[in-house]
Amino acid sequence: GAGVSQTPSNKVTEKGKYVELRCDPISGHTALYWYRQSLGQGPEFLIYFQGTGAADDSGLPNDRFFAVRPEGSVSTLKIQRTERGDSAVYLCASSLTLGGTQGVFYNEQFFGPGTRLTVL
Amino acid sequence: GQSLEQPSEVTAVEGAIVQINCTYQTSGFYGLSWYQQHDGGAPTFLSYNALDGLEETGRFSSFLSRSDSYGYLLLQELQMKDSASYFCAVRGPLYSSASKIIFGSGTRLSIRP
Repeated sequence: GAGVSQTPSNKVTEKGKYVELRCDPISGHTALYWYRQSLGQGPEFLIYFQGTGAADDSGLPNDRFFAVRPEGSVSTLKIQRTERGDSAVYLCASSLTLGGTQGVFYNEQFFGPGTRLTVL
Repeated sequence: GQSLEQPSEVTAVEGAIVQINCTYQTSGFYGLSWYQQHDGGAPTFLSYNALDGLEETGRFSSFLSRSDSYGYLLLQELQMKDSASYFCAVRGPLYSSASKIIFGSGTRLSIRP
């Protein structure tokens, strides 16, 4: 079946511009995560959706970053007034709904190929 | 807060066994997972431990000791294709503001013939 897809695969923009990054999760996965990964580092959590709502957006670095998931499927990460420090690979992951007894269930995250964002 | 520590690089010989350690500090703990990432690729799930002990999946095994806040990934019969970065990650409690997943900085495993 189809995995998580992300578009575009590469995005080059100029400092100060606005960008949108799109994520299509696996069909039926209600949980969706956004991460940012810099070279040589692990994925850095940004935001997590359960359905249409952002369950935890504590990883968004500042108010230039915003994400939506209006119909509980596709999600868009939006970055305003981009800065050179925003350059990274932006990863999206999805998983089946979280539930069950806390600590008993784990929902494997399926990652997309990422969008490489370069801010010049 | 939450933080994880793992070695930045490990080198091993094809056919051998290698262990990648991970120590963590979390305000709430609900399991340790491991992901593999090849250069230019997406992270892929390897294993998960919620309870103490060893979980085995083929050539890969993962261990957890909650009392020591420590876990490891054990790779046996190493193959050249195992050359990749390996990340440990912890999750907080579900349905709370701490349900995000925190990844370590990764261990780059290089396999020599």
